[in-house]
Amino acid sequence: DIQMTQSPSTLSASVGDRVTITCRASQSISSWLAWYQQKPGKAPKLLMYKASSLESGVPSRFSGSGSGTEFTLTISSLQPDDFATYYCQHYNSYPVTFGQGTKVEIK
Amino acid sequence: EVQLVESGGNLVQPGGSLRLSCAASGFTFSTYWMSWVRQAPGKGLEWVANIKQDGSEKRYVDSVKGRFTISRDNAENALYLQMNSLRVEDTAVYFCSRAGVRDSDFHHWGQGTLVTVSS
Repeated sequence: DIQMTQSPSTLSASVGDRVTITCRASQSISSWLAWYQQKPGKAPKLLMYKASSLESGVPSRFSGSGSGTEFTLTISSLQPDDFATYYCQHYNSYPVTFGQGTKVEIK
Repeated sequence: EVQLVESGGNLVQPGGSLRLSCAASGFTFSTYWMSWVRQAPGKGLEWVANIKQDGSEKRYVDSVKGRFTISRDNAENALYLQMNSLRVEDTAVYFCSRAGVRDSDFHHWGQGTLVTVSS
């Protein structure tokens, strides 16, 4: 199975900050990577797919990059609505797996 | 608007069975892969199973193989998960999800239904 490792596990930031979350795959997954945002008690929401494609309706302050084994999700200017937990997920092969999550907290 | 509404979650004893349902609307159900993804209390996300548009291919995470069965009814726009031989570690919120262009990128999610396995 392909292991997905996110860093950091927790991130403290302020409104307006530029935030970067890293996701590493244990083997190459080409660009078959998605990013999700989840708020407490809610379903996850797709932000990015195919590593760098922005899902319709998602604000342009979110961007994704990377290929192979290393990927990043960047929020260019953190907004109050962005405090949440973020997950990466590969869909290169079965089983698809998720990272352990990165919680973005208010500093 | 895409809508996915899960139902069927409940408290069940270890070794018991449960059938989850997902009612889909707002899109052409028969043209998308569909999946179940679960989340144990306070934990991360785990893909459980998915099924091809016509039901001809089904895939499962190893931990549920032989115990869970995914199915769909395209005439009724419904997705199902039959869960047998339930274990305490199956306790989770189960989400129904619709794929995008590929088979296992999860573009739309339901609100989830809670399955609790406990004696």
